[in-house]
Amino acid sequence: QVQLMESGGGLVKPGGSLRLSCAASGFPFSDYYMTWVRQAPGKGLEWLSYISTTGDYTNYADSVKGRFTISRDNAKNSLYLQMNSLRAEDTAVYYCARAHMVQGTFDYWGQGTLVTVSS
Amino acid sequence: EIVLTQSPGTMSLSPGERATLSCRASQIVSSSYLAWYQQKPGQAPRLLIYGASSRATGIPDRFSGSGSGTDFTLTISRLEPEDFAVYYCQRYGTSSWTFGQGTKVEIK
Repeated sequence: QVQLMESGGGLVKPGGSLRLSCAASGFPFSDYYMTWVRQAPGKGLEWLSYISTTGDYTNYADSVKGRFTISRDNAKNSLYLQMNSLRAEDTAVYYCARAHMVQGTFDYWGQGTLVTVSS
Repeated sequence: EIVLTQSPGTMSLSPGERATLSCRASQIVSSSYLAWYQQKPGQAPRLLIYGASSRATGIPDRFSGSGSGTDFTLTISRLEPEDFAVYYCQRYGTSSWTFGQGTKVEIK
């Protein structure tokens, strides 16, 4: 079955960096666009970034553009999110999700990893 | 930028009642790319509806979606105990996605 498992979350100081990983299994990873979504404590869902199957195409929400970088390693069935210049408002649970591009939906999600930005 | 506004913010209903959730877009959106998700506390979101009205795999038929243009609706015909959750609408367009702020369906 499809499984997505995020890792790499934790406590980081403002201005710091963190790299999140998402390990995928149960489906042909290289055939799917992938995405990151976050949810601040008690708040709603915010789409952050997507990456195409080969990594040639990416896009970012304005809130993270220039600070976050999405990437993937199809040989390792893994998705990444490099987060730099972190701010307190980046504190959230970060989810990776598989994108179903025909539907324009996120059909499978990981359980999320918590990132806390605090001094 | 298209904004999705969901209403109400919270609705208090009893099991067996009908729930009608609204999602209004600030501009016309393609029905093909309007989706609904359910999220329970401590869990990841789950896809319910795509293409405004098509149920995702395994979703019970008490969930239905409708609408077009700027106004979309998620209806839960008879609330089951497991349906009390937060529901989000989502729109895809021009290589980006937008979520509504969510509607919480709570037990009355």
